[in-house]
Amino acid sequence: NAGVTQTPKFRILKIGQSMTLQCTQDMNHNYMYWYRQDPGMGLKLIYYSVGAGITDKGEVPNGYNVSRSTTEDFPLRLELAAPSQTSVYFCASEAMGLRPESGANVLTFGAGSRLTVL
Amino acid sequence: AQRVTQPEKLLSVFKGAPVELKCNYSYSGSPELFWYVQYSRQRLQLLLRHISRESIKGFTADLNKGETSFHLKKPFAQEEDSAMYYCALSGGATNKLIFGTGTLLAVQP
Repeated sequence: NAGVTQTPKFRILKIGQSMTLQCTQDMNHNYMYWYRQDPGMGLKLIYYSVGAGITDKGEVPNGYNVSRSTTEDFPLRLELAAPSQTSVYFCASEAMGLRPESGANVLTFGAGSRLTVL
Repeated sequence: AQRVTQPEKLLSVFKGAPVELKCNYSYSGSPELFWYVQYSRQRLQLLLRHISRESIKGFTADLNKGETSFHLKKPFAQEEDSAMYYCALSGGATNKLIFGTGTLLAVQP
């Protein structure tokens, strides 16, 4: 199993450009997440999905969009990139169970995508 | 509101010294607490969770509901423990993880 795969690993964008960060997982996990990691700010949840066709906003969704057409894929789209979106983006998945003992909240993370907006 | 506070951005200790990474939380219900770790050039991964009451790589963490804390401890630090440590909280109907700001542990030789 490859786990959670993110592409690209690095990208530089100009202000106003758009792009999509790809995330795919091969573990048949139903929950998927996008986080951004900023120095001194920790991980902030952008969007999440509890299954194909279902997405919801996290703490910092502005400027982003997501879709979940399949269980495996959860792309994150940036429209009109801004310098404030310079960050490291992490995708994660989870085999959500009803109780922590079943593996709930045990996230498998991707390697991250470092995005710079100039 | 749910909140996780890690007051130390950086904790530097010498090899063999005890380590305590502080984590305090704010949550009105019954929380589930976790520690995640990110070693250099590696992915963020689960270290331990309070429900399991386990010791991983010599680290332990006890949930103290009275002090609303979940501090991570290790009696003798090793250089390979150097990493970024995140405390995380889960609770509420959606059960999403809320992360703290992280503490960088640097173990000096």
